[in-house]
Amino acid sequence: QSVLTQSPSASGTPGQSVTISCSGRSSNIGSHTVSWYQQLPGTAPKLLIYSDNQRPSGVPDRFSGSKSGTSASLAISGLQSEDEADYYCAAWEDSLIGPAFGGGTKLTVL
Amino acid sequence: EEQLVESGGGLVQPGGSLKLSCAASGFTFSAYWMHWVRQIPGKGLVWVARINTDGSIISYPDSVKGRFTISRDNAKNTLFLQMNSLRAEDTAVYYCVREILTSQGFWGQGTLVTVSS
Repeated sequence: QSVLTQSPSASGTPGQSVTISCSGRSSNIGSHTVSWYQQLPGTAPKLLIYSDNQRPSGVPDRFSGSKSGTSASLAISGLQSEDEADYYCAAWEDSLIGPAFGGGTKLTVL
Repeated sequence: EEQLVESGGGLVQPGGSLKLSCAASGFTFSAYWMHWVRQIPGKGLVWVARINTDGSIISYPDSVKGRFTISRDNAKNTLFLQMNSLRAEDTAVYYCVREILTSQGFWGQGTLVTVSS
């Protein structure tokens, strides 16, 4: 069981918007910032969002992050076929004295 | 170009040992916290170990504490993971990762460790 909870799957059609959620507790999301990673098939994870809602340079503004209380969300607008990937949230977990990950959400572009 | 290149993975018997290495290039290795994260093929990401810039702060989850040891050689820009008393459940792809939770998050391509008789 992952410390952070994500829905296992999400889907959308090209051009649509989709939101992926990540639920945690006061010991992780509730008191620490959230990062999001994209893992394309057969590749290593790539940073999409850090500090809840900041995009590294090179990440399209179609990707946005938000947080409220003990939950965080990743929104993807203008869905493209190349967005089909697994998405993971991550946050510091006090009891772990380390980072915790969500179980991942597999995004399918129909 | 920034690179993290893992090596040392392979097939090992239960109870055996393996040492992973991660060669860093294209950035100032000694300035960053480093981590190891593993992923069972088809499954999620699990943090395994972290080490601060000079090696003075180290932590592990309970699942590997006492069996795995993370270390670094800043002169050689290399991160290590010594894995002892390996179990079948340690089978996974092991990633070397720079700063998981900051703007500097960056992952190597991973090395596969298979624990089986």
